[in-house]
Amino acid sequence: ELKVEQNPLFLSMQEGKNYTIYCNYSTTSDRLYWYRQDPGKSLESLFVLLSNGAVKQEGRLMASLDTKARLSTLHITAAVHDLSATYFCAVDMEYGNKLVFGAGTILRVKS
Amino acid sequence: DAGITQSPRHKVTETGTPVTLRCHQTENHRYMYWYRQDPGHGLRLIHYSYGVKDTDKGEVSDGYSVSRSKTEDFLLTLESATSSQTSVYFCAISGTSQNEQFFGPGTRLTVL
Repeated sequence: ELKVEQNPLFLSMQEGKNYTIYCNYSTTSDRLYWYRQDPGKSLESLFVLLSNGAVKQEGRLMASLDTKARLSTLHITAAVHDLSATYFCAVDMEYGNKLVFGAGTILRVKS
Repeated sequence: DAGITQSPRHKVTETGTPVTLRCHQTENHRYMYWYRQDPGHGLRLIHYSYGVKDTDKGEVSDGYSVSRSKTEDFLLTLESATSSQTSVYFCAISGTSQNEQFFGPGTRLTVL
């Protein structure tokens, strides 16, 4: 059974600081997705990582995938208040076009 | 934005009553999914569909059934709602080579 663990589950950080959210998963997969959710809203796709060593960047966020370590990271550079949200990673099960989600990381950026 | 709508967006019902949630897409995507979101659990898959009349169970399917008679519509039914089914329900669709899923706006269901 595929399990996906995110840490930390809650992150409070100062504006301008850097931090990393980690996503570990338990079985083989080479497809991983990051989503953002604002309070009371739906999920918005941030990054699609489809192979070992994949790296994607958008603004102050950068995501990477290491399939050998079964680990993805979401790195935040020089955080700003607008990045406050909940971030989810999701891993594609090897068969069946199904995603397993982590519990989510609540990010609060304080000014 | 992917063309996905959910109805109703909010519903309050009583224990023991049947409830049907609807997901409608205009993208002609093959795959459709129903998730529930509860604090501390992320999103958990209830049921999914890989084509018209083709459905399968997800992680938390007990107490739920689904139907898909047309490509664009995926219905989730709670035959007899219980308080443990109070949750936010999201529909998602997928149909690209990257298997990326796109989410609807959600339905907040409260079972009293």
